[in-house]
Amino acid sequence: AQTVTQSQPEMSVQEAETVTLSCTYDTSESNYYLFWYKQPPSRQMILVIRQEAYKQQNATENRFSVNFQKAAKSFSLKISDSQLGDTAMYFCAFRETSGSRLTFGEGTQLTVNP
Amino acid sequence: DVKVTQSSRYLVKRTGEKVFLECVQDMDHENMFWYRQDPGLGLRLIYFSYDVKMKEKGDIPEGYSVSREKKERFSLILESASTNQTSMYLCASSSLWTFATNEKLFFGSGTQLSVL
Repeated sequence: AQTVTQSQPEMSVQEAETVTLSCTYDTSESNYYLFWYKQPPSRQMILVIRQEAYKQQNATENRFSVNFQKAAKSFSLKISDSQLGDTAMYFCAFRETSGSRLTFGEGTQLTVNP
Repeated sequence: DVKVTQSSRYLVKRTGEKVFLECVQDMDHENMFWYRQDPGLGLRLIYFSYDVKMKEKGDIPEGYSVSREKKERFSLILESASTNQTSMYLCASSSLWTFATNEKLFFGSGTQLSVL
């Protein structure tokens, strides 16, 4: 079974600075998808970024980028120019290529301070 | 925009009660999911369904059952609620045919259930 681990329960960053959230996973599959979801206080889950394992290029979405290290089974999220609206719980998630279900990590609560 | 609606935002029930959590989606999605969210444990899959009347157990199905009589509606049932089922419950849906390309789950806003 796949597992996803986020070892940082809480993090904080000053507005406009850069922060990196860590995620590691375990799988025997060679192809799969990885995701970062954001859950603000409204509780509405929002997809931040996704990465396909067969693509070597790291995904980027505006201020959000990932560092995908397939051999190390690591998938970190970097948030540049942090904004107050980035304050949220962030979940790393894994999905097999052939499946529909996502496996989530424990979550990292990020607080952006003014 | 896809909308996934959970019937209650907050719910308080007593131990032993039968509890129904309802979820409705408006985009004709084949896949629907029930997750449970607890601090320090993240989201854990309880059950999912890929078609009407079809269901599969997730990682923590014990104490729960589900019903999917219509494509748009997926119900989570706690047959006899217990205090350890106090949690946030999240419903999600996705298209079977486009999930591989848009790879996105659409979530409801969650139901915070307290069992006293």
